[in-house]
Amino acid sequence: GAVVSQHPSWVICKSGTSVKIECRSLDFQATTMFWYRQFPKQSLMLMATSNEGSKATYEQGVEKDKFLINHASLTLSTLTVTSAHPEDSSFYICSARDKAVTNTGELFFGEGSRLTVL
Amino acid sequence: AQSVTQPDIHITVSEGASLELRCNYSYGATPYLFWYVQSPGQGLQLLLKYFSGDTLVQGIKGFEAEFKRSQSSFNLRKPSVHWSDAAEYFCAVGPYFGNEKLTFGTGTRLTIIP
Repeated sequence: GAVVSQHPSWVICKSGTSVKIECRSLDFQATTMFWYRQFPKQSLMLMATSNEGSKATYEQGVEKDKFLINHASLTLSTLTVTSAHPEDSSFYICSARDKAVTNTGELFFGEGSRLTVL
Repeated sequence: AQSVTQPDIHITVSEGASLELRCNYSYGATPYLFWYVQSPGQGLQLLLKYFSGDTLVQGIKGFEAEFKRSQSSFNLRKPSVHWSDAAEYFCAVGPYFGNEKLTFGTGTRLTIIP
């Protein structure tokens, strides 16, 4: 099946620094990737939709200047948490839809990246 | 607007017992329904999906789900649970076409007791 890989799987950083999380589709091309945030024992909250070659679409309430998303190729999207603060600590999950299979809604999820900001 | 309700936040069952996790959805068009499972600290794995056809869908790991349009439900079932089934389960609804987002329920945490 389709594989989505995230890196790093966990990261600890100091407050005020920036952290980049990568999301790669390993065996398919994804024109669209989605970034979710998940707080402990809660559901996934969609942060933004990442479109290859264009600007990301952010959900209401998500700061686009804090959560920078770049989707430079059909297999890679990155989420950069800028000037991270402890409240940004969370589990970030990406997902992708196979470009070649446009008639289904199935998403393939990465393993998630746990960010801890000290 | 689309929405998904998972009324049970936490369910505990004995190993070997049967399981049913509830999911109700609200969607204005023909929905595409999913069940995902998440182990602690992990991403989501697709258990099964439904768009059309037979309303009883078979998935991986012995799970099945039944789509009931009249009740707007898509409940997940397993005849006999194993300790390895302990995880968080999410129901999701989305469009059949296009690249629009999925809407997830709040999840049901499943605990298995020996």
